[in-house]
Amino acid sequence: QSALTQPASVSGSPGQSITISCTGTSSDVGANKYVSWYQQHPGKAPKLMIYEVNNRPSGVSNRFSGSKSGNAASLTISGLQAEDEADYYCSSYTTSSIWVFGGGTKVTVL
Amino acid sequence: QVQLQESGPGLVKPSQTLSLTCTVSGGSISSGTYYWTWIRQPAGKGLEWIGRISTSGSTDYSPSLKGRVTISVDTTKNQFSLKLSSVTAADTAVYYCASNIANSGYWWWGQGSLVTVSS
Repeated sequence: QSALTQPASVSGSPGQSITISCTGTSSDVGANKYVSWYQQHPGKAPKLMIYEVNNRPSGVSNRFSGSKSGNAASLTISGLQAEDEADYYCSSYTTSSIWVFGGGTKVTVL
Repeated sequence: QVQLQESGPGLVKPSQTLSLTCTVSGGSISSGTYYWTWIRQPAGKGLEWIGRISTSGSTDYSPSLKGRVTISVDTTKNQFSLKLSSVTAADTAVYYCASNIANSGYWWWGQGSLVTVSS
């Protein structure tokens, strides 16, 4: 099972919106609703930001939103803030009953 | 609120077996439809899913590690464990234990445990 494909880096100015893509296959992203997104700051454990494509855990800002179309998912951060600078990972459950992660995207706030 | 804490040796010699334990607090490891999972991250690299065990004891492993990995549960201690055999330097990473409900996202994570493979 190959890793999901994410851009290595995405940047934006404060207040702007950015979108991170996550491309998989019909065996993972395209197969079900179990796509999630994680934020990771340096030296910290990942934090769940989006689950089941477009659901936010309690406490996660509504500036974060997720979507999916076919074999690709995306995470949008609106109203970009300095604290959003971090690494972001997508993940998907697969038809083989395992999970796969994307390679990660470094978000830089200019 | 589930809390997870990894523990185990920080240094393992090549060809030996890496062993880590995750202690679960705030809930019973044998209740509900939780999956107890191990995920690792080499320095400067991305997350890699290793495998999981369900509350019923069924396991799923990453194909790339299958054959070397075993995940088990000790309900008496409210812990689950990872064993990775025949380790090499490529297995050096921060190892996280994590948990989710059914196939939802990973809501709960340990703080991570750095394991270095070196002689």
